[in-house]
Amino acid sequence: DGGITQSPKYLFRKEGQNVTLSCEQNLNHDAMYWYRQDPGQGLRLIYYSQIVNDFQKGDIAEGYSVSREKKESFPLTVTSAQKNPTAFYLCASMGVRDRVPGHTEAFFGQGTRLTVV
Amino acid sequence: KNQVEQSPQSLIILEGKNCTLQCNYTVSPFSNLRWYKQDTGRGPVSLTIMTFSENTKSNGRYTATLDADTKQSSLHITASQLSDSASYICVVYTFNKFYFGSGTKLNVKP
Repeated sequence: DGGITQSPKYLFRKEGQNVTLSCEQNLNHDAMYWYRQDPGQGLRLIYYSQIVNDFQKGDIAEGYSVSREKKESFPLTVTSAQKNPTAFYLCASMGVRDRVPGHTEAFFGQGTRLTVV
Repeated sequence: KNQVEQSPQSLIILEGKNCTLQCNYTVSPFSNLRWYKQDTGRGPVSLTIMTFSENTKSNGRYTATLDADTKQSSLHITASQLSDSASYICVVYTFNKFYFGSGTKLNVKP
């Protein structure tokens, strides 16, 4: 089955450490996205990539970095510069479901909950 | 500016009651609009899709409406169940981007 997979589901980080969240998709989608969600809040865009080897900052990119070396993979690194990294992180890819024009859809992973200890 | 606004921000209803969630948008050009259900700690799951020519669409106890002229959509939940407790997110798509509302947090109480 095609889908988008995030790992790990839970991640604990010590202050001052960098950690990398994995996002893999086998949907052959060009566009991939990373979002952050804080308790009771909406989704905020961190980074997005429309094509391999290219990515753009979203609304809250400071303290994060990404790479897009392969179409299938869009890992997110939370660096020590991110002062408040405890949050729920969602990865998404965008494509057209069932080849139906106008049925553009974002496909979401199950998320990674990052906690700073 | 492309924006999606949802109301109310949160809602508490008793099990078995109906409720309606609202979504207003200014996104252009419009491709489609989806309502998602997000359980706590999970990724959003699509409930309905509305394209420009569709006014209403049902998925079980969920019924979505779309008025493309006024750029408004609603999600009506009938005979609510405890499992309906979640955040409901309105997402509006252009042909290569999508825009999220901040969601309505629904709490169904027994």
